[in-house]
Parts: sequence; C-alpha cells; structure tokens
Amino acid sequence: QSALTQPRSVSGSPGQSVTISCTGTSSDVGGYNYVSWYQQHPGKAPKLMIYDVSKRPSGVPDRFSGSKSANTASLTISGLQTEDEADYYCCSYAGSYIHWMFGGGTKLTVL
Amino acid sequence: EMQVVESGGGLVQPGGSLRLSCVGSGFTFSNYWMSWVRQAPGKGLEWVANTNQGGNEKYYVDSVKGRFTISKDNAKNSVYLQMSSLRAEDTAIYYCAQNNNWFFDGWGQGTLVTVSS
Repeated sequence: QSALTQPRSVSGSPGQSVTISCTGTSSDVGGYNYVSWYQQHPGKAPKLMIYDVSKRPSGVPDRFSGSKSANTASLTISGLQTEDEADYYCCSYAGSYIHWMFGGGTKLTVL
Repeated sequence: EMQVVESGGGLVQPGGSLRLSCVGSGFTFSNYWMSWVRQAPGKGLEWVANTNQGGNEKYYVDSVKGRFTISKDNAKNSVYLQMSSLRAEDTAIYYCAQNNNWFFDGWGQGTLVTVSS
C-alpha cells in the first residue's frame, strides 16, 4: 500500500498562513478520525503537533490546526514564524492489517 | 518529563542481525503500547512494529514480517527490536515512540542502522 499523498513542498512568508494536505483513501484517512501530524527539523526527532485530526497537545501553539474532509486531512499553520520551517508528516491509522500509514512528508519553507 | 532513549544501532552486513533497545522514563511504561518507526536516509517515516501494554500483542509492517521481532520488558521499562536477515533497504534511523492511543508521542532521538557490505 502506498504512503499517504502530501505535496513535496510549500512555502510562505512570516505572518502568512499555509495549508498542507494529506490525501489517503476510505481505508485510512477517510475511515478513521485518527490522523496525526508531526514536525521534524533537520537531524531531529519528529514531534507530535496534531492528533485525532484536530487536537493539539499541550505546548503546541494554537497557530497549528488540523481538519479533515472525506479522504483528505489538512494541517494549517497561521501566523508563520521562521522556526516553523521544517518537514511535516501526516499519519493515519489504517485498520488492523496495515495499521499505520505515513505521508511522504512536506518541506515547509518560510521565506 | 517523558523520555525514550534508543541504542543498539550500527553497521551490519546484509543477512546479519542486530538488536535495538529503547528505555523509557518519566511515564508508566507498562500502561502504553510502544512502537518502532524508521526513516531511511533522506526519506519519510515508516511504521515498523508495535506491541501492547503487556507485550503479548505484536504487529508488523509487511516488509519486516518474519524477520523482525518486537518485545517488551516492563520490569526494565524497555522495548526491543530484534532484526535478522537484514537487507540494504532496512538501512534507516530507527525511532522508538510511545504509541499513545492513536498517535505517536515521546519520540527518542533514534539509532542508525546501516546494512552494507
């Protein structure tokens, strides 16, 4: 089974908003409200930013928000800051056989 | 503060074996599923395996079934990944993560496994 589909890259200026999409199927993204998003800076471990589609862990700024429509989930970052420049990965539970699917990752550049 | 620390990576020849370890602290280890997630050089994340609180349920991605074995020792706050019949495509950073309900929390810094002759 292929990874979830994310754009390879997105960019925005400080203060702007960007949205990263994550497209799957009815067997993963569309079938469960268990989409999570991870931020990864170069050489660092991934960090949980969003879970259960739209919930934010404590300590994650409310500039980060998540949503889902049908088979596509989205991560929106508003009020972009330079420290937001990183790779972002979506992940979805995909049932008791496949279990977990990650997206291919999106590189966010803050211009 | 929750923390996990991986160890055991290194250079191994194709067909060889390696055992990765992960020690957790700052949380009740026995209450959580634990996962291994890997990242090939310059590539994305891939879930590899996980095990339940007691270590008696184990699940694997198809590409490692029959070659990798995950185990959990709650007395030592540790989870392991025994890897055998290693292939070049298994080369990656292997991360240990707390599998908190339906997401991954508390990732370690990872341990690099290189499969090469």
